[in-house]
Amino acid sequence: AQTVTQSQPEMSVQEAETVTLSCTYDTSESDYYLFWYKQPPSRQMILVIRQEAYKQQNATENRFSVNFQKAAKSFSLKISDSQLGDAAMYFCACIQGGSEKLVFGKGTKLTVNP
Amino acid sequence: DTAVSQTPKYLVTQMGNDKSIKCEQNLGHDTMYWYKQDSKKFLKIMFSYNNKELIINETVPNRFSPKSPDKAHLNLHINSLELGDSAVYFCASSPLAGGPANTGELFFGEGSRLTVL
Repeated sequence: AQTVTQSQPEMSVQEAETVTLSCTYDTSESDYYLFWYKQPPSRQMILVIRQEAYKQQNATENRFSVNFQKAAKSFSLKISDSQLGDAAMYFCACIQGGSEKLVFGKGTKLTVNP
Repeated sequence: DTAVSQTPKYLVTQMGNDKSIKCEQNLGHDTMYWYKQDSKKFLKIMFSYNNKELIINETVPNRFSPKSPDKAHLNLHINSLELGDSAVYFCASSPLAGGPANTGELFFGEGSRLTVL
């Protein structure tokens, strides 16, 4: 069974600065996907970024990028030019290929200071 | 045009009551889920269904009974509600696991906040 660990319960960043959220995972499978989901106060779960394990290139989506270190089983999220609207809970998640079970980390609460 | 919709969004009830939360998805997905988010924001899978068939049941008490009348609907019925059932319940859907359209991504509803007094 896979596990996902987020070691930072809370982080803060100044507006326009860069912040990195940490995530490590453990899975016995070679085929899996990794995700970062954002949950703002509205509580809607919003997909931020996705990474396929077989791809060596780090995924990027505008100001969001990941540092995927497969050997170390690390999947950190970098948010550049932070905006007030980025304030939310961020969840790292992992699902094995062909599985229905998406496993979440415990989340990191990000505060963006003006 | 909401992709995954849940009703009600908020539910306040007394201990011992029975309540249901409904979920519908218009994405044409084969797989639907219920997740529970506790007071510490931890998200944990409860159930998953593929085309009306139960696939995952994560040691959830028998008081929780999912029902899937068709692949677009997955309802959650809870009997004899307890204080510890207070949480936000999320419905989600995805294309069939292992199928060509599946990227692992789940599409979530807005959540239903259940408060048991």
